[in-house]
Amino acid sequence: QQQVKQSPQSLIVQKGGIPIINCAYENTAFDYFPWYQQFPGKGPALLIAIRPDVSEKKEGRFTISFNKSAKQFSLHIMDSQPGDSATYFCAASRGSNYKLTFGKGTLLTVNP
Amino acid sequence: DAGITQSPRHKVTETGTPVTLRCHQTENHRYMYWYRQDPGHGLRLIHYSYGVKDTDKGEVSDGYSVSRSKTEDFLLTLESATSSQTSVYFCAISAKQGWGNEQFFGPGTRLTVL
Repeated sequence: QQQVKQSPQSLIVQKGGIPIINCAYENTAFDYFPWYQQFPGKGPALLIAIRPDVSEKKEGRFTISFNKSAKQFSLHIMDSQPGDSATYFCAASRGSNYKLTFGKGTLLTVNP
Repeated sequence: DAGITQSPRHKVTETGTPVTLRCHQTENHRYMYWYRQDPGHGLRLIHYSYGVKDTDKGEVSDGYSVSRSKTEDFLLTLESATSSQTSVYFCAISAKQGWGNEQFFGPGTRLTVL
């Protein structure tokens, strides 16, 4: 049973565009929703995270939008740059349970 | 990579041989994790540790065992490697339980089982 579903699998945008990656979860006990960024040959790195009592969080050009009633959250990248080309993973966990459940990832390509 | 090293970084082995991957941290974090990453599957938790000699299974633990005799080291063992265990293995660490459980990932080990 896949508890976190991520879409799309891949995404191509032009420089300056706003790619949007979506995730849906099933377990209503989840209360921590991070996004990880991974470059080829590297381990994933935390990008931004949100808790379910907040509808939106911004850090620089990255924004998480959270819809608790729909059990969905999404990552928006404003003014995307070629350097943002990477694989992005959403994840979720319970506060007292430190195991993260990851989505399958989205390969983002930002063309110059 | 947040004071995390993994060894070896690359390994090619034969089916049926035992393989041990090592994760070493210098952060003195309590929690350590082993994930595997495969195309189309994302990251899947194999085993995790919540302290020295305290470990538990993740979602894809069959065929793997772990040990943690020191805070800084977490070993992943494939008792008898199979081709289905060809993957990239990542170790991760985190300092705390509960909300904000930021996990820091190591550089990964690429394992090929022939």
